[in-house]
Amino acid sequence: DAGVIQSPRHEVTEMGQEVTLRCKPISGHDYLFWYRQTMMRGLELLIYFNNNVPIDDSGMPEDRFSAKMPNASFSTLKIQPSEPRDSAVYFCASSLFVGTDTQYFGPGTRLTVL
Amino acid sequence: AQKITQTQPGMFVQEKEAVTLDCTYDTSDPSYGLFWYKQPSSGEMIFLIYQGSYDQQNATEGRYSLNFQKARKSANLVISASQLGDSAMYFCAMREWGGNYGQNFVFGPGTRLSVLP
Repeated sequence: DAGVIQSPRHEVTEMGQEVTLRCKPISGHDYLFWYRQTMMRGLELLIYFNNNVPIDDSGMPEDRFSAKMPNASFSTLKIQPSEPRDSAVYFCASSLFVGTDTQYFGPGTRLTVL
Repeated sequence: AQKITQTQPGMFVQEKEAVTLDCTYDTSDPSYGLFWYKQPSSGEMIFLIYQGSYDQQNATEGRYSLNFQKARKSANLVISASQLGDSAMYFCAMREWGGNYGQNFVFGPGTRLSVLP
């Protein structure tokens, strides 16, 4: 079975540009999570969806960040405009339900903003 | 205050030996879950093991076991018979069932384990 798929795996962009990260969760998983990992702050939950509906976006750092889930098999995280401090690895994860909460992570997107 | 503490930034273990990675947590919620994830140098996050606060027995998954001491609020990961492929960052995480999910699922800072041949 395919795991969580993320694209691109690496993204290098210039400050001020729009960046879109993509995620395909595991089929049948009702929950989707976006995380950011940096050396300074570790792993932080940005936002999560349940059945395509954003439930909690309190971790989204600022209005420059937005996330959507138009259907059960696709989600995007957009940064507009991007800044150097947004450089990080962004993970998408999905889980079947919020029970034992085993989250399966994608390979991550390494974002570098110059 | 840190909800998850991993006091060992780095650990070394000889191949084939057992190693314990420490994790202590802070919560007033009686219902919670504890998780361990492995992050090898390739970067992906791999789920290892889960322990619920009401589980009577310590969780085990192959060579991984969780030494759950509820009164001490500790959930140490034990890896038996270490292998070179176990070299990675290990993260302890906690999910508190009460309240807002987004605020109540947190990861610790991680422990880097190096297995020596």
